[in-house]
Amino acid sequence: ETVLTQSPATLSLSPGEAATLSCRASQSVGNFLAWYQQKPGQAPRLLIYDASNRATGVPARFIASGSGTDFTLTISSLEPGDFAVYYCQHRTNWPPMYTFGQGTKLEIK
Amino acid sequence: QLQLQESGPGLVRPSQTLSLTCTISGDSISTGGHSWNWIRQPPGKGLEWIGFIYSSGATFYNPSFKSRVTISLDRSNNQFSLSLGSVTAADTAAYYCARDFEIYGVMVRDFQDWGRGTLVTVSS
Repeated sequence: ETVLTQSPATLSLSPGEAATLSCRASQSVGNFLAWYQQKPGQAPRLLIYDASNRATGVPARFIASGSGTDFTLTISSLEPGDFAVYYCQHRTNWPPMYTFGQGTKLEIK
Repeated sequence: QLQLQESGPGLVRPSQTLSLTCTISGDSISTGGHSWNWIRQPPGKGLEWIGFIYSSGATFYNPSFKSRVTISLDRSNNQFSLSLGSVTAADTAAYYCARDFEIYGVMVRDFQDWGRGTLVTVSS
């Protein structure tokens, strides 16, 4: 089973700054990597699929890249609503299986 | 617009069976070849995929749940359900139902649509 390791565990930044979140896979996952944002008391929200594609309605300040084992989510200029927990997620096509990283908490400095 | 709503008991006794239902509105469970998923999140912890059922009725489960889990369809009520047996305190979590999505004619098997989640506590 592929293990996803996210870093840092917590990131403290101010609005307007840029945030860089990392997700590393224990083995190559190709580009089958998604990113989610979760705010307290809410369900996760899909931000990115297939490593770099923004989901519908996701602002252009969310930029994702990577393939194989190393992936990055960059938020170019933080807005107050961006402070949340971010999860990466990998899926396999066969047999179907999904694994999540442990999350990065993005908090206001 | 697709909406998903989880429902079921908020408290389950240890060793009993946890049963939840996800009610779908805005689309039919029978169309499109989508996967209908259950995902859970223990309080203060990360996300764990439990399994899914296709609109065809085929199911796939996370091996971590071994033989404890069953996901089923109810086409007449446009619902799908989760049954998790022999629960312990470790099964205390928010349980979410979720669906994948189609874009430009291609099915993307990540989770675009989610219910709001329902908290299930396992306790005597």
